[in-house]
Amino acid sequence: KAGVTQTPRYLIKTRGQQVTLSCSPISGHRSVSWYQQTPGQGLQFLFEYFSETQRNKGNFPGRFSGRQFSNSRSEMNVSTLELGDSALYLCASSLAPPNEQFFGPGTRLTVL
Amino acid sequence: DQQVKQNSPSLSVQEGRISILNCDYTNSMFDYFLWYKKYPAEGPTFLISISSIKDKNEDGRFTVFLNKSAKHLSLHIVPSQPGDSAVYFCAARGVTGGFKTIFGAGTRLFVKA
Repeated sequence: KAGVTQTPRYLIKTRGQQVTLSCSPISGHRSVSWYQQTPGQGLQFLFEYFSETQRNKGNFPGRFSGRQFSNSRSEMNVSTLELGDSALYLCASSLAPPNEQFFGPGTRLTVL
Repeated sequence: DQQVKQNSPSLSVQEGRISILNCDYTNSMFDYFLWYKKYPAEGPTFLISISSIKDKNEDGRFTVFLNKSAKHLSLHIVPSQPGDSAVYFCAARGVTGGFKTIFGAGTRLFVKA
């Protein structure tokens, strides 16, 4: 069974640009969560989707948004990028909340 | 507002000895706790979990202890092996907040051969 896949794996952008990250969950999983990992901050929860509906949202500004499609694939978008948005963005899928989450390898975003 | 805290950013242990990683939480509504392990360039992988109705869960070399009155949990690895060197994240979730999982900042474990 294929694991969680995230594309792209690495991304370099400049301040002010916008970016879209993609996550394909494990087949059959309907819940997708997004996290931001920065040094010393651990994994900060961004949002969680289940059956195309956002169930939970973390404390991030409105520049961070996401969506989930009918095939459970999810995208997150960050608009007007800031230097502080440089981080590893991780996606995790589960059958449904609150089951165990399986993480993808992440997308490393660098904002210059 | 850090609801899950891992106060030790790093820990160094000799191979064969015990590794003890600690985690504290502030929200008494958390009812399920998890430990994840992360290697560089990979996503975190689930290691072991414990429900709030238990005080201990064991899986091979890994044991998690939960002290609800102190809002503290710990992960014991015995015996430690060089392959255990990784970042370990403590996480918690509960009904409050719709089961979203809150992670600590992580502890980097070095196991020396």
